[in-house]
Amino acid sequence: NAGVTQTPKFRVLKTGQSMTLLCAQDMNHEYMYWYRQDPGMGLRLIHYSVGEGTTAKGEVPDGYNVSRLKKQNFLLGLESAAPSQTSVYFCASSTGQLYSNQPQHFGDGTRLSIL
Amino acid sequence: SQQGEEDPQALSIQEGENATMNCSYKTSINNLQWYRQNSGRGLVHLILIRSNEREKHSGRLRVTLDTSKKSSSLLITASRAADTASYFCATDTGAGSYQLTFGKGTKLSVIP
Repeated sequence: NAGVTQTPKFRVLKTGQSMTLLCAQDMNHEYMYWYRQDPGMGLRLIHYSVGEGTTAKGEVPDGYNVSRLKKQNFLLGLESAAPSQTSVYFCASSTGQLYSNQPQHFGDGTRLSIL
Repeated sequence: SQQGEEDPQALSIQEGENATMNCSYKTSINNLQWYRQNSGRGLVHLILIRSNEREKHSGRLRVTLDTSKKSSSLLITASRAADTASYFCATDTGAGSYQLTFGKGTKLSVIP
């Protein structure tokens, strides 16, 4: 039982390049989330999904796109990377329940540097 | 925007001592959660306390919630070096939000 798995773990990009971060969960969770964590800023929500085929914007969605084609996978894309997107990216998942957010399970992060 | 704010930002204690971290928030909540993050790892859920609860225990962890003051505290008793980590509170504002809002965290160092 792997939980939440993120790939890759590290990546260095040049400004303007594109890439996709992959998140996979094996807990049959309905909800999935992408966060970024910057020094002194805590975690900020980029996008989230409440089920297969659905996505929604979080607090800091600009410059990112997401897709949830399969329940177990949640992809985060950077179409044209910028130095401001240098960060640690975390994926999380949780069970779905109306009116109450359940504990989230996190992956170990992708450390992304954009030069 | 950050809903929860932890205090202090950093805390250093000796092994065996108790560690107390506080979290303040701004709007009414459905529940409040505490997470731990070890260096270089993802967050791990520790405990969830609902808005109608005042205190909750889990092993060496004790969480209190005061909704009138919009604050929560996390107490770790008899701390160990392995408790060295950052601790975050996260608030759930309720129906339809689908989101937790995390604070900036308290960095705890437990000195052996």
